[in-house]
Amino acid sequence: DAGVIQSPRHEVTEMGQEVTLRCKPISGHDYLFWYRQTMMRGLELLIYFNNNVPIDDSGMPEDRFSAKMPNASFSTLKIQPSEPRDSAVYFCASSPASGGSTDTQYFGPGTRLTVL
Amino acid sequence: TQLLEQSPQFLSIQEGENLTVYCNSSSVFSSLQWYRQEPGEGPVLLVTVVTGGEVKKLKRLTFQFGDARKDSSLHITAAQPGDTGLYLCAGKGAGNNRKLIWGLGTSLAVNP
Repeated sequence: DAGVIQSPRHEVTEMGQEVTLRCKPISGHDYLFWYRQTMMRGLELLIYFNNNVPIDDSGMPEDRFSAKMPNASFSTLKIQPSEPRDSAVYFCASSPASGGSTDTQYFGPGTRLTVL
Repeated sequence: TQLLEQSPQFLSIQEGENLTVYCNSSSVFSSLQWYRQEPGEGPVLLVTVVTGGEVKKLKRLTFQFGDARKDSSLHITAAQPGDTGLYLCAGKGAGNNRKLIWGLGTSLAVNP
């Protein structure tokens, strides 16, 4: 079975440019999460969706960041304009609806973003 | 604000040694998960503990959830180079919110 798919795997861009990160969750999963990971701050939740609807976006740093989920099999995280401090590894994760206390999150391989 | 503190932050040991990693908080969690992350990859779930005092074993790894559900430990017996990686703990609060609170991780290196 295919896991979570993210693209691109690496992105190098210049300050001020628009960056779009893409994610395809595991088929049948109802929850999708976007994270940012840095050495200093660890893994930070940016936003998560349930059935394509944003539920908690309190982790989105500022208005330069936006996320969409137009359908159950695709999500994007956009940064416009990008800044050097946005350099990090961005992960997408998905989770099935069989909740309770076993909310396993399945992570993609991540996108390493470098903003020069 | 809920926080999870992991210790130690870095650990370098020889193959065959034992080690323990700690995950502590002042908050109560409904469940706590441990993930392992290898370089260039996303975290992968190792175990979920739910009940206070619960102990789970996964081969040479032993996980324990504190009685008050505020802390957890991961003990590895006879570590092997394949255990090398970043170990992350993540706690879930009560209710339907799927948000996890993450520790910063323990970076483990097991040298042959």
